[in-house]
Amino acid sequence: GAGVSQSPSNKVTEKGKDVELRCDPISGHTALYWYRQSLGQGLEFLIYFQGNSAPDKSGLPSDRFSAERTGGSVSTLTIQRTQQEDSAVYLCASSLSIGGAEDTQYFGPGTRLTVL
Amino acid sequence: AQTVTQSQPEMSVQEAETVTLSCTYDTSESDYYLFWYKQPPSRQMILVIRQEAYKQQNATENRFSVNFQKAAKSFSLKISDSQLGDAAMYFCAYRSNTGNQFYFGTGTSLTVIP
Repeated sequence: GAGVSQSPSNKVTEKGKDVELRCDPISGHTALYWYRQSLGQGLEFLIYFQGNSAPDKSGLPSDRFSAERTGGSVSTLTIQRTQQEDSAVYLCASSLSIGGAEDTQYFGPGTRLTVL
Repeated sequence: AQTVTQSQPEMSVQEAETVTLSCTYDTSESDYYLFWYKQPPSRQMILVIRQEAYKQQNATENRFSVNFQKAAKSFSLKISDSQLGDAAMYFCAYRSNTGNQFYFGTGTSLTVIP
C-alpha cells in the first residue's frame, strides 16, 4: 500500500511569507508526528496527533507554528511570517497507534523549506 | 526530558566488514523503547530495529543486531557483512512507555567503502 506522502517536496519562500506543508499518513494510522530536521542535527519533535485526542503541541518552537489534522487523516503544518531560521527539512511520520509494537513510525520523504 | 547521545558523527566501514554504531541515553524510567532508524540520501527514514527495555534479549534483524546494556544505558547497533546500500545516516531514538514523544540523537553518517 501507499506510504506516507508529503507535499511539496521542496519549498522556497521569502522571509515574512506564510507556508503550508502537507502530510498524508498511511490509511488507518491513528498517530501522526511532525519533526524538524536542521542541517547536521537530529530530529526535533514539533507536534503529535493521536486519534481524536487533543494534540501534543509541546514541541512547537513559537506561536508562528501551528498544525491541524482534518478528519483524523491529512495534516497541515503552517508556518506564519517565516524566518530564515525556519529553513530545514520538515518530516512527517505516522504509526498505527502508540502502544506496544504499533508505535513503529513510518516516515514521509520530507519537505525541504528554504527561507530566503 | 530524555537525551539521546550519538558520539560518532561519522563512521566508515569496508564492504563485507562489521561496524558498530554507539548510542547512549539518559533516563530515570525503567520501561521504554529504543530504536535505530536509517536515513539514506533519499531522506526517507526507515526503521532498522526496535528494542523493548523489559526484554533482556538483544533484538536482531538479519544483518543488524543491537547490544542493549540497560544498566549502562547503552544501545549500540552492529551491522554485519556491510553492503554499499547500508551507507546512510543512522539515528538512535528513545520513547518512554508513558509518553508520546520520540527523542532522537544527532545521527551517525556511515560510509561504506567498496
